[in-house]
Amino acid sequence: LAKTTQPISMDSYEGQEVNITCSHNNIATNDYITWYQQFPSQGPRFIIQGYKTKVTNEVASLFIPADRKSSTLSLPRVSLSDTAVYYCLVGNNAGNNRKLIWGLGTSLAVNP
Amino acid sequence: EPEVTQTPSHQVTQMGQEVILRCVPISNHLYFYWYRQILGQKVEFLVSFYNNEISEKSEIFDDQFSVERPDGSNFTLKIRSTKLEDSAMYFCASTLAGGGDTQYFGPGTRLTVL
Repeated sequence: LAKTTQPISMDSYEGQEVNITCSHNNIATNDYITWYQQFPSQGPRFIIQGYKTKVTNEVASLFIPADRKSSTLSLPRVSLSDTAVYYCLVGNNAGNNRKLIWGLGTSLAVNP
Repeated sequence: EPEVTQTPSHQVTQMGQEVILRCVPISNHLYFYWYRQILGQKVEFLVSFYNNEISEKSEIFDDQFSVERPDGSNFTLKIRSTKLEDSAMYFCASTLAGGGDTQYFGPGTRLTVL
């Protein structure tokens, strides 16, 4: 399973766009990139998933360059409620093993 | 939207006691997981479960831990003899199947071992 590296923390202000970049140099051919959000004392919540290029949903966008060795989660116009820890995970669906390996994530603080 | 539920939300127990943490995965999901998160630390994989058997377990998941799907809806984690270091948030997750499938997490059970 590929290891991921992301900044420990980031600060932003309400209304700004926030981009969190994750490095995954050893990503395998059949790995997907998934981002989760976690509020204190709550379970992680799925945000977005992608394999290559760009994925967009109602919450965020995910940019993946051609070499797939990194990915960037983009949160448009953040609000105070976006203050949370954001995790980048890389994994695949090989066999019955779908465990997720978590890093420390990026603690995003959105200020008024 | 269907969701994973967990009970209890908070469990306090004495060291050496047995606890059972309960989860109800999303109804049509086939793969089930337990993770734990010690306060301030990262989420750690414990065990995955598919087709009524353990698919994989981590080194954390030693003989004091066991999982069971006693009926068609519940998925339980049993800790036989709790230790102080078992104090953590325990999250259950489930996923349907298929490529790059999304894991849906429950709200967690906070276990406090005194």
